[in-house]
Amino acid sequence: GAVVSQHPSRVICKSGTSVKIECRSLDFQATTMFWYRQFPKQSLMLMATSNEGSKATYEQGVEKDKFLINHASLTLSTLTVTSAHPEDSSFYICSASHVSDDEAFFGQGTRLTVV
Amino acid sequence: AQTVTQSQPEMSVQEAETVTLSCTYDTSESNYYLFWYKQPPSRQMILVIRQEAYKQQNATENRFSVNFQKAAKSFSLKISDSQLGDTAMYFCAFMATTGTASKLTFGTGTRLQVTL
Repeated sequence: GAVVSQHPSRVICKSGTSVKIECRSLDFQATTMFWYRQFPKQSLMLMATSNEGSKATYEQGVEKDKFLINHASLTLSTLTVTSAHPEDSSFYICSASHVSDDEAFFGQGTRLTVV
Repeated sequence: AQTVTQSQPEMSVQEAETVTLSCTYDTSESNYYLFWYKQPPSRQMILVIRQEAYKQQNATENRFSVNFQKAAKSFSLKISDSQLGDTAMYFCAFMATTGTASKLTFGTGTRLQVTL
């Protein structure tokens, strides 16, 4: 299957700072990327859908000004958690799909800890 | 909107035995995909098996097979000859097919423990 690389795998940041998470499709062009959040022992909750070259579509209840998503190329999407707070601590996972493929390929996830 | 329900929060099976994980879903879509994903302690999501709704034949992948009952909106996963490496969270997921890449809706997951 296709490879999606997510970086960093772990990050600790201070409260009030911003942190950027990258999601790259290494061997295919990802027309759509998805960002999920997973709390401990819970399921994956979709945060937003990003399409290359256009604004991301956020799920209800997700603050677009807090979770900035950029999908500037067909191989890279970024999620920036702005003014992070301890309650933003979570596991963030991206997935990528090609327009002609109905399978999603997942990154390794990023564990964010805000102290 | 689609919903996916996994009614078994935890399951346990002995090595070499067979276990079935349950999943039901609700949708008004006629065309869709169903998936089972495995999430081991590393938390990397791994695709186990997929089923296209228009296919009547149940999908199989080595020791993994599904029982897809479209009318009942049921999609269970059977793991045969369970191995210690099968220990993980298992998520059932739904994807509507719209001609473009579509989002996944996940169930709440079943934690499977394979014991000696």
